[in-house]
Amino acid sequence: KQEVTQIPAALSVPEGENLVLNCSFTDSAIYNLQWFRQDPGKGLTSLLLIQSSQREQTSGRLNASLDKSSGRSTLYIAASQPGDSATYLCAVYRNDYKLSFGAGTTVTVRA
Amino acid sequence: DGGITQSPKYLFRKEGQNVTLSCEQNLNHDAMYWYRQDPGQGLRLIYYSQIVNDFQKGDIAEGYSVSREKKESFPLTVTSAQKNPTAFYLCASSGQGRWNGYTFGSGTRLTVV
Repeated sequence: KQEVTQIPAALSVPEGENLVLNCSFTDSAIYNLQWFRQDPGKGLTSLLLIQSSQREQTSGRLNASLDKSSGRSTLYIAASQPGDSATYLCAVYRNDYKLSFGAGTTVTVRA
Repeated sequence: DGGITQSPKYLFRKEGQNVTLSCEQNLNHDAMYWYRQDPGQGLRLIYYSQIVNDFQKGDIAEGYSVSREKKESFPLTVTSAQKNPTAFYLCASSGQGRWNGYTFGSGTRLTVV
């Protein structure tokens, strides 16, 4: 069974600092990995999708890396802003195309 | 704009009552999913459907039922057999192929009163 872990569960940083969010998974035989953002009481917004053949994806201030051999993905957010405050979820695609989710990292960016 | 619409946003259920959550998508996606989210836990898969008139149980299907009569619609019924239904319910869809990402709706918060 695929287990997905996100550490830390919560993170507070001052505005302008770079954010590093970690995701680890137990089964390296994954397909895609997707990072989502969730605001309180809202649905999930897709941030980045990394295919299994890729090692990283970038979108604006966001960069996500994938190391299947070590079972890890990292989401970097450069020059954080108060609007980046949210919960960030990592999801791993199982071999049946369904997702296994981590519990998320809740980020607070202080102005 | 293409997307997924979930309704209602908030739903209250009395003990012993069945309630149905709506999920509609206009993305022309073949696959649709229902997830449950509880505080401090990852999303857990309830049911999924990869094609019209076919669906499979996910990891926590007990006390729930679904139908997939149209490609665009995948309603979820929370039955009285579900003993702890208070949660945030999320519907999602994806296109065919492992390189397609998931798109999520805005969720329905169900509370037992």
